[in-house]
Formats: sequence, structure tokens, C-alpha cells
Amino acid sequence: ETGVTQSPTHLIKTRGQQVTLRCSSQSGHNTVSWYQQALGQGPQFIFQYYREEENGRGNFPPRFSGLQFPNYSSELNVNALELDDSALYLCASSPGEATNEKLFFGSGTQLSVL
Amino acid sequence: GQNIDQPTEMTATEGAIVQINCTYQTSGFNGLFWYQQHAGEAPTFLSYNVLDGLEEKGRFSSFLSRSKGYSYLLLKELQMKDSASYLCAVRDWKTGSARQLTFGSGTQLTVLP
Repeated sequence: ETGVTQSPTHLIKTRGQQVTLRCSSQSGHNTVSWYQQALGQGPQFIFQYYREEENGRGNFPPRFSGLQFPNYSSELNVNALELDDSALYLCASSPGEATNEKLFFGSGTQLSVL
Repeated sequence: GQNIDQPTEMTATEGAIVQINCTYQTSGFNGLFWYQQHAGEAPTFLSYNVLDGLEEKGRFSSFLSRSKGYSYLLLKELQMKDSASYLCAVRDWKTGSARQLTFGSGTQLTVLP
């Protein structure tokens, strides 16, 4: 069984640039969530995709956008990068929509904005 | 919204027992999770509580009191490898996404020899 994989592991960008982060969900999982984790903080929910549709969003501006593909892999896009966007971006997948289902996290992409 | 509070840091000795507390405020509680996160790694699932009481799983146990908005994670027979951040997270069916988790800031546990 393949776990959640994310790429790249590390990324350095400058303010104003755009970035795309990628995630392959665990085999058999059709729900993908993205979280932002600042240093010393817990993960913060960005949004969730279920069967290619966004079905929930946290308090993040529209410059944070995403996609989910037919194979349930996903992308997180961030436009007009700001210094505060520097964080660990975590992707998590789960088998479906049941609220008692645990999330399986990838190791994340460490984004640094200079 | 939700408020989730947990201690920032804790220290314990190898072989000992440690209890990590978590208090929360939600309008539509729908489950509480504990995750473990080693530095530079993915959070990994430890436990899930939705009803009051104690859930035991090996050296780890988690307790929930919904009326008090309170949970704790109990780690027994501490090992050096248990040094990690422990994240308390809550699901709230009244939030934007009923499936999202709202995390506390984590408790950094250091196990000393």
C-alpha cells in the first residue's frame, strides 16, 4: 500500500512568485485535504477535495487554490507569494467522507518565501 | 470557531507516565483526534474519541469528556522515541467543512534518559 507522497520536499521562492505543490493520495483514498503548518504551530486547514470537487475551505484568501484529478492526486497553487506563506504544507488523504475517518498525512513540502 | 489549548512543552523521564491535556471549545463537536509528529516528519494518527470515556491502545490511551470540553493523552512506559510533538485536533460539524480538523499548537514532549 503506497502512502501519501508530496513533491517537492523543499522549495525556495521569492515574494510575488507563484508556486504549485503536488500530492499523491494513498491508494483507495478519494478525499484530499491541504494544511499549512507554520513553525511551532499546529496545521491549519486550507481546503478539501472530494471526487474532484472542493467541498470545504478554511480562512485562506483566494490566491490559495487547488485541483484534484481523476486519479485523486491533487495540487495546491499559491499566487502572489507573501513572506508569511513560508511554512510546511501538508497533504492528507482519507478513504471517504465519514467524519470518524483518520487522515493520513504526507511528509510535506517546506516552502520558504524570501 | 474553535479554541484548542494544550501545553506548549512537557518533559518526562524514560519509563515514566505522562498525561498531555487538551481543552477545546466548539459549537458542533464531532470527534477528537490525537496525532504524533516527529520533527520534519508527517503527523501520524494515535487515537480517536467521539464518546465520553477512555480509549486504550497499547502504551497510549486517550480520554474524552464532552461536557467539560476536555481530553487527555496518556503515554505509559515512556521511551526515548516518544520525544515528539503531540497534536490535539477537533472536528466540528458546524465549521465550513464538516470533515476538516482544527489543530491545537501541539505539545512538545521531551523524554530524558
